[in-house]
Amino acid sequence: KQEVTQIPAALSVPEGENLVLNCSFTDSAIYNLQWFRQDPGKGLTSLLLIQSSQREQTSGRLNASLDKSSGRSTLYIAASQPGDSATYLCAVRPLGGGGADGLTFGKGTHLIIQP
Amino acid sequence: DTGVSQNPRHKITKRGQNVTFRCDPISEHNRLYWYRQTLGQGPEFLTYFQNEAQLEKSRLLSDRFSAERPKGSFSTLEIQRTEQGDSAMYLCASSLDPGWADTQYFGPGTRLTVL
Repeated sequence: KQEVTQIPAALSVPEGENLVLNCSFTDSAIYNLQWFRQDPGKGLTSLLLIQSSQREQTSGRLNASLDKSSGRSTLYIAASQPGDSATYLCAVRPLGGGGADGLTFGKGTHLIIQP
Repeated sequence: DTGVSQNPRHKITKRGQNVTFRCDPISEHNRLYWYRQTLGQGPEFLTYFQNEAQLEKSRLLSDRFSAERPKGSFSTLEIQRTEQGDSAMYLCASSLDPGWADTQYFGPGTRLTVL
């Protein structure tokens, strides 16, 4: 059974710092990995999706990397801003047929950027 | 608004009652997913549809849960004889298959409280 772990569980840093969020998964047979952001009481917003054949994806101040063989992904946030405060979730989609397409999520990293 | 919508946003019910939630996916998306999220946890996959066919169900989806997607458009999730343990945020997502990007887009969720 796939398990996804996110470290740290919570992080509080001053505005302007660069930071790294970590995600690890136990089964490397994945189709893709997706990073989401969730604001309190809200749904999820997709940030970046990395296919299993890719090594990284970038969007603005965000960069996500994937090392499938070691079961790790990182989300790098540059020049953090108070508006980046949210919970960041990592999710993997399994590889395989038969419709096994449900994402497996980690518990998230709760990020607070202090003004 | 062309995103995923869910109704109602909040539902409070008494134990033993039946509840039904609705999800309207992004119009051209043929895949629709249901997830459940409890406080402090990542979302957990429940079931998914490709068009009107329900292709996968998680073991979390007990006999009291049923989901439908008539005509491959909107979907409903019904919980019969609700229990306090059913209290959670129920999230719906949609995606376009096949698609290289395969991003799942999430709705705002329905928060269920069972008294």
